[in-house]
Amino acid sequence: KAGVTQTPRYLIKTRGQQVTLSCSPISGHRSVSWYQQTPGQGLQFLFEYFSETQRNKGNFPGRFSGRQFSNSRSEMNVSTLELGDSALYLCASSFTLSRGQSYEQYFGPGTRLTVT
Amino acid sequence: DAKTTQPNSMESNEEEPVHLPCNHSTISGTDYIHWYRQLPSQGPEYVIHGLTSNVNNRMASLAIAEDRKSSTLILHRATLRDAAVYYCILRDVAYQLIWGAGTKLIIKP
Repeated sequence: KAGVTQTPRYLIKTRGQQVTLSCSPISGHRSVSWYQQTPGQGLQFLFEYFSETQRNKGNFPGRFSGRQFSNSRSEMNVSTLELGDSALYLCASSFTLSRGQSYEQYFGPGTRLTVT
Repeated sequence: DAKTTQPNSMESNEEEPVHLPCNHSTISGTDYIHWYRQLPSQGPEYVIHGLTSNVNNRMASLAIAEDRKSSTLILHRATLRDAAVYYCILRDVAYQLIWGAGTKLIIKP
């Protein structure tokens, strides 16, 4: 089956602009998580959605937001871009995350965002 | 939040076993131990996970200490394609993955 897809793969924006990134999970997966990866900070958790509800959120400012649609596809938005937002943004999907279980996540190739 | 500690880098020869250590001394009873790896220019890839018992799959084995304060990822026969950054991660029942800096595994031909 098809893996996690992310669009676009590369993006260049200028400071102050906003950006929307898209993620299509593996068919049947209902949980989608977003991560930011930078050389200095490594992989940092942004938020996780399950059945259109944000279930968990990392320590990022309110400029970072997301949503999930009924087909489990997810988008994340960053408003008022700053130079420090330049990073690889990764999306990961899981089948489900029932309490007491721990399913593996499948990652997409990421969107490389450059803010100039 | 429970955290993990891994060596920054390790080297191994091709076709030899590799043992990648991870310390997680503050692990709680409900934390699962996950291992992922990231090849250059790719997203992370799931390797293996476990809670208390040792686990095996087609990619690797996971040995978990009896007190669960440490674990070891075992690649039985490393190949050049196994060169990657390996992350040992704790996942709690709040579903959040807590990533460390990982271990860069270098495979020498």
